[in-house]
Amino acid sequence: AQKVTQAQTEISVVEKEDVTLDCVYETRDTTYYLFWYKQPPSGELVFLIRRNSFDEQNEISGRYSWNFQKSTSSFNFTITASQVVDSAVYFCALSPSGGSNYKLTFGKGTLLTVNP
Amino acid sequence: AAGVIQSPRHLIKEKRETATLKCYPIPRHDTVYWYQQGPGQDPQFLISFYEKMQSDKGSIPDRFSAQQFSDYHSELNMSSLELGDSALYFCASSSGQTSTDTQYFGPGTRLTVL
Repeated sequence: AQKVTQAQTEISVVEKEDVTLDCVYETRDTTYYLFWYKQPPSGELVFLIRRNSFDEQNEISGRYSWNFQKSTSSFNFTITASQVVDSAVYFCALSPSGGSNYKLTFGKGTLLTVNP
Repeated sequence: AAGVIQSPRHLIKEKRETATLKCYPIPRHDTVYWYQQGPGQDPQFLISFYEKMQSDKGSIPDRFSAQQFSDYHSELNMSSLELGDSALYFCASSSGQTSTDTQYFGPGTRLTVL
């Protein structure tokens, strides 16, 4: 069974602050994929990043960065110099690798509010 | 770039009615997934199709059925609607039946059952 835990239900910051969203996962699979999706108030789910379990390199994309630590089963997401447009619900998700079952298991999401 | 198209975007139905949701995947994507997101909840996997065959099934009620057609679009049919079926229904597509392919989501269909 797979499980994704996002312990932070809501986070509120002031614009330009840095913020880290935590994600901890559980899986018995030896290979798997981790994802982050953004859901703005308009409701769509926007893909942000995919990371496979073989690759523990951290990744940076503009103001976004991701820290994958297999030893602690965590895949945290940091937004640097947050902006009001970053306000959204952020979901961490897990998918197995191999076989025929690639459904995403989502965490409960973290609602990020960035205040001006 | 073309995205996943879902129709209708909003749907209002009465209890015990039926509803059909449609999903048009990104061109050349052959795998479609359906998810249900209740208010304030995370998306829950319902069912998936690869090359027009059902590939996996999640917590989909027996009142729901789905299929993928020869042009790869998919339809989710929901009968005997209940108040609890009110949710945002997402379709996602990917380019193959491997987990290396990212699932890209459509804008969702918001179903309200009165």
